[in-house]
Amino acid sequence: QQQVKQSPQSLIVQKGGISIINCAYENTAFDYFPWYQQFPGKGPALLIAIRPDVSEKKEGRFTISFNKSAKQFSLHIMDSQPGDSATYFCAASFNFGNEKLTFGTGTRLTIIP
Amino acid sequence: EAGVAQSPRYKIIEKRQSVAFWCNPISGHATLYWYQQILGQGPKLLIQFQNNGVVDDSQLPKDRFSAERLKGVDSTLKIQPAKLEDSAVYLCASSPPRTGNQPQHFGDGTRLSIL
Repeated sequence: QQQVKQSPQSLIVQKGGISIINCAYENTAFDYFPWYQQFPGKGPALLIAIRPDVSEKKEGRFTISFNKSAKQFSLHIMDSQPGDSATYFCAASFNFGNEKLTFGTGTRLTIIP
Repeated sequence: EAGVAQSPRYKIIEKRQSVAFWCNPISGHATLYWYQQILGQGPKLLIQFQNNGVVDDSQLPKDRFSAERLKGVDSTLKIQPAKLEDSAVYLCASSPPRTGNQPQHFGDGTRLSIL
């Protein structure tokens, strides 16, 4: 019940296109949903986060869409660039992020010219 | 602001040996986490400290793993004895005192290889 399922496992998108990564959760007590970006040899870095009382949050080219009734949320990267090539993890937490993050399995994104 | 510092960056040991990792969190961050990231997977929490007290160690294999956070700042994670399945990246993260949303900031981790 504490799992976060992420798809796809890998994604190839052309430069300038939209990258979309999806996550689903079971535990409705989760109240904080961040997305992390990880480059090889580096730790995860927070990209953007949302709470369940909001259906969408946008920061620059990155948007989280949140569907509370379906228990799903997704990351959209607009105008994808080669520098966006990385592994992306969705996560969920209780208590507004004050407790452990439960991570998805990751999506390896490759942006091709 | 300086980030979360971890050392060493890499460690190679043989099974049954012991190893220790060190973490220095962002200044002022009361909460410190140790995560284990096995290749191809998302990080999984091992232990969470609030100041120098343990909040959650339910997924820490206590027969071989131990962690401490003296004086509520730096932390060490130890494995003794190591097993082949402990090969992973060990990530330390920290977050500010508990007000509002608390983003966790990660260090670059220690990559452990067990031979």
